[in-house]
Amino acid sequence: GDSVTQMEGPVTLSEEAFLTINCTYTATGYPSLFWYVQYPGEGLQLLLKATKADDKGSNKGFEATYRKETTSFHLEKGSVQVSDSAVYFCALISRAGGTSYGKLTFGQGTILTVHP
Amino acid sequence: DAGVIQSPRHEVTEMGQEVTLRCKPISGHDYLFWYRQTMMRGLELLIYFNNNVPIDDSGMPEDRFSAKMPNASFSTLKIQPSEPRDSAVYFCASSFFTGSNSPLHFGNGTRLTVT
Repeated sequence: GDSVTQMEGPVTLSEEAFLTINCTYTATGYPSLFWYVQYPGEGLQLLLKATKADDKGSNKGFEATYRKETTSFHLEKGSVQVSDSAVYFCALISRAGGTSYGKLTFGQGTILTVHP
Repeated sequence: DAGVIQSPRHEVTEMGQEVTLRCKPISGHDYLFWYRQTMMRGLELLIYFNNNVPIDDSGMPEDRFSAKMPNASFSTLKIQPSEPRDSAVYFCASSFFTGSNSPLHFGNGTRLTVT
């Protein structure tokens, strides 16, 4: 079945440090890939997405590139801020023959804490 | 757009009691999902609906859990009887369709504590 594996957290960084959160996946068919962010006390929000190989999703300074050859979708940001402290989830929707299976499969989440 | 609205935000109940969680999806969205989040298991999909019809309930943990969607603007998740291991944050999410260009929109969740 489909699965998403994220790097273990928590990740603790100083403000302006470089961030990488690793994400790898296994999927039936040709998935679309997502990063969601969850701020304390809130639901998940879509951060960025990529729908085909070599696509780069980007938003709010975060980027991730869909790497089919390595089945990866690592999240990066060049300079983190305290306000980026949150839980980050990698996710996929599997597709085959152009039909979505309709379910997002999430990784376990990575807690990011950024200190001033 | 008011977003996905869940109620209550917090629920504390005693073991054995019935609990009902409520969700109002974004108007016009035709998919609705119920997720459960715990530290041990992360995010688990419990059930999802398309046009008010349950499509996949394979994630519902046991017969104590049931979900309904009587119309396009309302869904409930019921636990009867509740147990301490049901303590979690329950999220409702909706989307227009589940293709790659249709992200899920999540509510702020209901934190359930069963004592």
